[in-house]
Amino acid sequence: SQKIEQNSEALNIQEGKTATLTCNYTNYSPAYLQWYRQDPGRGPVFLLLIRENEKEKRKERLKVTFDTTLKQSLFHITASQPADSATYLCARDTGNQFYFGTGTSLTVIP
Amino acid sequence: GAVVSQHPSRVICKSGTSVKIECRSLDFQATTMFWYRQFPKKSLMLMATSNEGSKATYEQGVEKDKFLINHASLTLSTLTVTSAHPEDSSFYICSAMDYQSPYTQYFGPGTRLTVL
Repeated sequence: SQKIEQNSEALNIQEGKTATLTCNYTNYSPAYLQWYRQDPGRGPVFLLLIRENEKEKRKERLKVTFDTTLKQSLFHITASQPADSATYLCARDTGNQFYFGTGTSLTVIP
Repeated sequence: GAVVSQHPSRVICKSGTSVKIECRSLDFQATTMFWYRQFPKKSLMLMATSNEGSKATYEQGVEKDKFLINHASLTLSTLTVTSAHPEDSSFYICSAMDYQSPYTQYFGPGTRLTVL
């Protein structure tokens, strides 16, 4: 099976610091890895997509890396703010389906 | 950006009744929609893939007669939970795929179902 794991259930970080979240996958590399944000009681919101042949992708304060050797994607939020507190999910595709990690709950402490 | 709506956002029903949840893509056409179920502090569990004009593809362990899916148009998919029981209480989320944005899913806001 195509597993995808986020090895931290929860992460607390001081405001202004960089938050780094990890996503690991097994078996073959997906064509894409995606990151979503989910707030309590809401559906996930798409943040970033990184392709297999891309090492890094940026969007404002967000940065995603994709290391096919380590089978890992890192998601960074720089200059974190309390409003960044949410659960972040990574997802991999297998053709026309997506499998989601269990998510990392990020809390940014003022 | 692409917007997906879900209705209702919350529903409480009695055991044995059926509940229909609608998922609409508001500003794009979605040939494929997905239905997920999410338990508290758990990840999204894919229930079924819904393709417009054809039968839905259900994931292993999901009862197709229990969770009826209809994708009658390019902007609407419905999930009907038939003869609901308390164990069906959950957060149901749909998503739609916009093929103009390669492999990006846009999610609805979710429906909280409580079966008494």
